[in-house]
Amino acid sequence: DVKVTQSSRYLVKRTGEKVFLECVQDMDHENMFWYRQDPGLGLRLIYFSYDVKMKEKGDIPEGYSVSREKKERFSLILESASTNQTSMYLCASSGQKSSYNSPLHFGNGTRLTVT
Amino acid sequence: QKEVEQNSGPLSVPEGAIASLNCTYSDQGSQSFFWYRQYSGKSPELIMFIYSNGDKEDGRFTAQLNKASQYVSLLIRDSQPSDSATYLCAVNKWGGANNLFFGTGTRLTVIP
Repeated sequence: DVKVTQSSRYLVKRTGEKVFLECVQDMDHENMFWYRQDPGLGLRLIYFSYDVKMKEKGDIPEGYSVSREKKERFSLILESASTNQTSMYLCASSGQKSSYNSPLHFGNGTRLTVT
Repeated sequence: QKEVEQNSGPLSVPEGAIASLNCTYSDQGSQSFFWYRQYSGKSPELIMFIYSNGDKEDGRFTAQLNKASQYVSLLIRDSQPSDSATYLCAVNKWGGANNLFFGTGTRLTVIP
């Protein structure tokens, strides 16, 4: 079974803090993704990566950056946390870059509260 | 127009009934379609995917795809209270793993 592990289940941070969300997958997947999920808005893609050191902006990249130094690890960074970044953050991975039926496997999520 | 649209519900069905969840999408070039289940406070988990017109069955679940009408549905037979969750429809537009669009989900409640 694919396992996608997010380092924290709950986080509380103060406005202006730099926040790191870590994600590790154990299936040698090429693709990794960061989403945020908010009520009524659904899942929105922040950033994704299809290879080490590669990253692409998703739909809502503003205020975020990412790092993929190793294939199994994809980090989301909030450079200066703001209250509107309070959300559920979901990491996901999938296996084949060119496969159109490669499903996403999600981590358990990190619920971030910025006060 | 949203890429993927779902009725937010809630949809309530009695235990043992068939639950029917629908999803429409805007891009005719969409290639593959996924259904995810998400329990409250949990992350989405894949139920099944479909990419050819017609029906695909997996246990109590049947996915139906009609590309001409641009809709995909999920039928849950013999609904159980444990099926109560939000069901997310996702559509892959251009065949790459990074082009997946999610609907906002339909909340299903199965009444014992």
